[in-house]
Amino acid sequence: GIQVEQSPPDLILQEGANSTLRCNFSDSVNNLQWFHQNPWGQLINLFYIPSGTKQNGRLSATTVATERYSLLYISSSQTTDSGVYFCAVESQGGSEKLVFGKGTKLTVNP
Amino acid sequence: GAGVSQSPSNKVTEKGKDVELRCDPISGHTALYWYRQSLGQGLEFLIYFQGNSAPDKSGLPSDRFSAERTGGSVSTLTIQRTQQEDSAVYLCASSFRVGQPQHFGDGTRLSIL
Repeated sequence: GIQVEQSPPDLILQEGANSTLRCNFSDSVNNLQWFHQNPWGQLINLFYIPSGTKQNGRLSATTVATERYSLLYISSSQTTDSGVYFCAVESQGGSEKLVFGKGTKLTVNP
Repeated sequence: GAGVSQSPSNKVTEKGKDVELRCDPISGHTALYWYRQSLGQGLEFLIYFQGNSAPDKSGLPSDRFSAERTGGSVSTLTIQRTQQEDSAVYLCASSFRVGQPQHFGDGTRLSIL
């Protein structure tokens, strides 16, 4: 099945810093989503982005489907950005299910 | 409802007992998904429904696990003869239809003693 690799696995930032999280996938995809899991375990859908670029406030995401990767940018990070960021993909020609990466754990210090 | 609702939020039971976990999706969402997340791990797909049918049951770990959805709305995940390795957070998500953005409930934390 499709493989999803996220990097870095852990990231520690000072409040106000910018960061880029990466998601590589091994096959063509129909669907790619980014999620944030906060320290209380709640999962929030950040972006639905099978291709192209989207922005939502301080967050933006870009997926280059032909090169099989996606990037999540966090600008001017805040302590509330802490948590785990997951990338999830649905393979073309495969089952209509999302396969999740192992996540990037982000800690933003005040 | 406004969001995906899961119940119970926590469940502690003895090894060998059966448990039922419930998921009430966002109103109007036709697709519903179950995942499992063990401590410090990513999400493991279990099963999804489009309407009342489950095209992909490949993620169910064993025949002790089953799920159903009736009326195109509420879904129940049942685990029979629970084992300690079943301890995890069980998460439910729904989307307007398959392939669309998924929205998660808060999960059921299951602990098997």
